Amino acid sequence: KNQVEQSPQSLIILEGKNCTLQCNYTVSPFSNLRWYKQDTGRGPVSLTIMTFSENTKSNGRYTATLDADTKQSSLHITASQLSDSASYICVVILMDSNYQLIWGAGTKLIIKP
Amino acid sequence: SAVISQKPSRDICQRGTSLTIQCQVDSQVTMMFWYRQQPGQSLTLIATANQGSEATYESGFVIDKFPISRPNLTFSTLTVSNMSPEDSSIYLCSVGLLTDAAEQYFGPGTRLTVT
Repeated sequence: KNQVEQSPQSLIILEGKNCTLQCNYTVSPFSNLRWYKQDTGRGPVSLTIMTFSENTKSNGRYTATLDADTKQSSLHITASQLSDSASYICVVILMDSNYQLIWGAGTKLIIKP
Repeated sequence: SAVISQKPSRDICQRGTSLTIQCQVDSQVTMMFWYRQQPGQSLTLIATANQGSEATYESGFVIDKFPISRPNLTFSTLTVSNMSPEDSSIYLCSVGLLTDAAEQYFGPGTRLTVT
């Protein structure tokens, strides 16, 4: 069964600290993996897109890693800011004609001053 | 990228009534999707809106409950029919671009509360 699991479910850290969010998936055939940020009351916004051959991709203070062998991905946030408070969702895309998206449940991140 | 707007942004409706949500995109797109996000949960795909033909529904969603229209490449509507409190959710429209159908962009969502 195609599944995406994220951990932790929620996380609270102090402003300025770093954190890492985890994503494990059992999706086949794999096309690519994305991390989305969803602010409260808003639609998801794409942070990174990683294909099978990519190990690391950065977008400002966000760095995503992908290990296709172990089917794990992580999202590392450096020097967190209050605006980073949001849900972070890992999404794996199936390599089929419809590009079906398999959604994780998300990690709710709260940054405290 | 694409700029997506949804109307209404939020609504409070009575049980048994219906609400139609509109999704407008600023450019032509190949695919349009409707998602539901229940409180505290991730997104669930309701259906793919096909231009000029019936929408393709995911398991657990039916046309009688969630009729969808897509008259052209930039506009779609989702109706939530005969609402019950269990339909209280955020409904999101997303689109796939002509240049990269694998990327999806999301609208701001419609927050629906059914009393």
